[in-house]
Amino acid sequence: AQSVTQLGSHVSVSEGALVLLRCNYSSSVPPYLFWYVQYPNQGLQLLLKYTSAATLVKGINGFEAEFKKSETSFHLTKPSAHMSDAAEYFCAASTGANSKLTFGKGITLSVRP
Amino acid sequence: GAGVSQTPSNKVTEKGKYVELRCDPISGHTALYWYRQSLGQGPEFLIYFQGTGAADDSGLPNDRFFAVRPEGSVSTLKIQRTERGDSAVYLCASSLRGVTGELFFGEGSRLTVL
Repeated sequence: AQSVTQLGSHVSVSEGALVLLRCNYSSSVPPYLFWYVQYPNQGLQLLLKYTSAATLVKGINGFEAEFKKSETSFHLTKPSAHMSDAAEYFCAASTGANSKLTFGKGITLSVRP
Repeated sequence: GAGVSQTPSNKVTEKGKYVELRCDPISGHTALYWYRQSLGQGPEFLIYFQGTGAADDSGLPNDRFFAVRPEGSVSTLKIQRTERGDSAVYLCASSLRGVTGELFFGEGSRLTVL
């Protein structure tokens, strides 16, 4: 069975600081990996996805993530946080068979002025 | 419409009552998914439709939960004899066939069972 682990429930950074949100997966087959973001009062939207092409994936709003098979990780980063990045972030994995996604618990990102 | 639409946005019901939640996917999206999100948790898969048929219903928690998509577009999630533990946000998502993992989510229906 597939699982996705996001340690911690809340991360707080200063505006302009590095954002690092961690995600580890456990899968018996090489997974497809995703980061989704949920802004207040909005539906989840796709930030970026890894589907076995380049291991460094660039997404919207300056976010990127690196797939590291040896560490079973897919951490999300952004060099400089903006106030508008405050949201809840979910890591998810799929075997791709039918796009059923397994989500982590999510991490709330706060950005301090 | 432009996005996935879910109605109602909020539903409060009493224990034991029957509830229907509706999802209108993006036009042309053949795949439709239902997820449930409890407080402090990530979305949990319930059921997946490809066209009119349920391709995977392994996430439905028990036989009180049922979903239909009779014409391959709008879907209804039906919950019988609701229990307090059913309280959650029910999310619907749609996607183009063959686009792995690129789901478009609605804003969800918040169900509260008193």
